[in-house]
Amino acid sequence: GAGVSQSPSNKVTEKGKDVELRCDPISGHTALYWYRQSLGQGLEFLIYFQGNSAPDKSGLPSDRFSAERTGGSVSTLTIQRTQQEDSAVYLCASALGGPLVYEQYFGPGTRLTVT
Amino acid sequence: DQQVKQNSPSLSVQEGRISILNCDYTNSMFDYFLWYKKYPAEGPTFLISISSIKDKNEDGRFTVFLNKSAKHLSLHIVPSQPGDSAVYFCAAKYNDYKLSFGAGTTVTVRA
Repeated sequence: GAGVSQSPSNKVTEKGKDVELRCDPISGHTALYWYRQSLGQGLEFLIYFQGNSAPDKSGLPSDRFSAERTGGSVSTLTIQRTQQEDSAVYLCASALGGPLVYEQYFGPGTRLTVT
Repeated sequence: DQQVKQNSPSLSVQEGRISILNCDYTNSMFDYFLWYKKYPAEGPTFLISISSIKDKNEDGRFTVFLNKSAKHLSLHIVPSQPGDSAVYFCAAKYNDYKLSFGAGTTVTVRA
């Protein structure tokens, strides 16, 4: 089937505004990750969802960041009161559960620019 | 999190020659290592991996070498092709599901 999709592909927003980023994982993948890649940096883990288990939110940088996953499928990452340091590419990845859950399939990312 | 480092931000190689990408890590608890390849405007795609109990894994033109004592792994691409021009990320697994990524190396294959 189709790969991981993300929308929008690009988002420019003014400082202080809220933004929502969407991820549609591969059908049947129970695991879903959000990452952030700032310029010149590696992928920074944000949050992990696995089935109906409580998500691992340990990578969220502040309480302005939140994410949800509805029905075990689509996920939305919300950034409230955006700051210029939030500018980055936000990547979503999904994976089959089980022992190979770390072999992740990535979406194309959303490039967020906060002006 | 700087547990995985790719110290060369870029690499230029002639078509047909070998590309060698390097990655160093600091956490001895890493038990699985992966390489991802990324084209512009696309997400990273899985390329090859290696378990910490092995020292070499080969898949076609791609070979990954692991030196646990040196906490170093490398990716060899032989022969390099123009389609190999991309950003390559090294990643290491540090629990059941989390990966730590390096900053990437941009490879340019010259015709």
